[in-house]
Amino acid sequence: EVQVVESGGGLVQPGGSLRLSCAVSGFTFSDHYMDWVRQAPGKGLEWVGRTRSRAKSYTTDYAASVKGRFTISRDDSESSLYLQLNSLKIEDTATYYCVSPSIDEGFDVWGQGTMVTVSS
Amino acid sequence: QYVLTQPPSASGTPGQRVTISCSGSSSNIGRSSVYWYQQFPGTAPKLLIYKNDQRPSGVSDRISGSKSGTSASLAISGLRSEDEADYYCVAWDDSLSCRVFGGGTKLTVL
Repeated sequence: EVQVVESGGGLVQPGGSLRLSCAVSGFTFSDHYMDWVRQAPGKGLEWVGRTRSRAKSYTTDYAASVKGRFTISRDDSESSLYLQLNSLKIEDTATYYCVSPSIDEGFDVWGQGTMVTVSS
Repeated sequence: QYVLTQPPSASGTPGQRVTISCSGSSSNIGRSSVYWYQQFPGTAPKLLIYKNDQRPSGVSDRISGSKSGTSASLAISGLRSEDEADYYCVAWDDSLSCRVFGGGTKLTVL
């Protein structure tokens, strides 16, 4: 069974840091690109960033809104994805989803999301 | 605010055919595949269409996608009450080097 499970969300003050984790099972993690996507309460989806597979040299891309503050990493040996969130702002408050995105194929998997609240 | 433009709302009656548009530019829809997601409140999105017009296994054949130039559309035929949800288009933007979502369309079944 394919599973994607996020953890690490919580309440943090503006300017603070948090590290989200995503544990994957049921598919060959190392072969897949992985994204983080977030959704602020009552708002639409916002792509946060991507790490590509080993075949693509683990290259990363980020949305302009988080570039320089957030860092995506992966551990293929543990089938895990991470998102380091630094210099958090109130507008970073959202549910963060770990995603194995469809890249011109039907395989597309989302976790249940983990909530990050940035508030003083 | 959103690079891809979707109407904020759409509606139809049971049995009708509804289309949702997604407008972009030459740097995103014009050169990249378009994907469509369905999302119910409190749940993660579900992929409905990939590579502009392909349905993943298990997605109803009432769902179809198309793309022309810098615009794409999602069509739902034989509308049912359970189709009431939010729908999002997304594509890769080569100029921004990021994936860009539309703002989402809330579909109401009257």
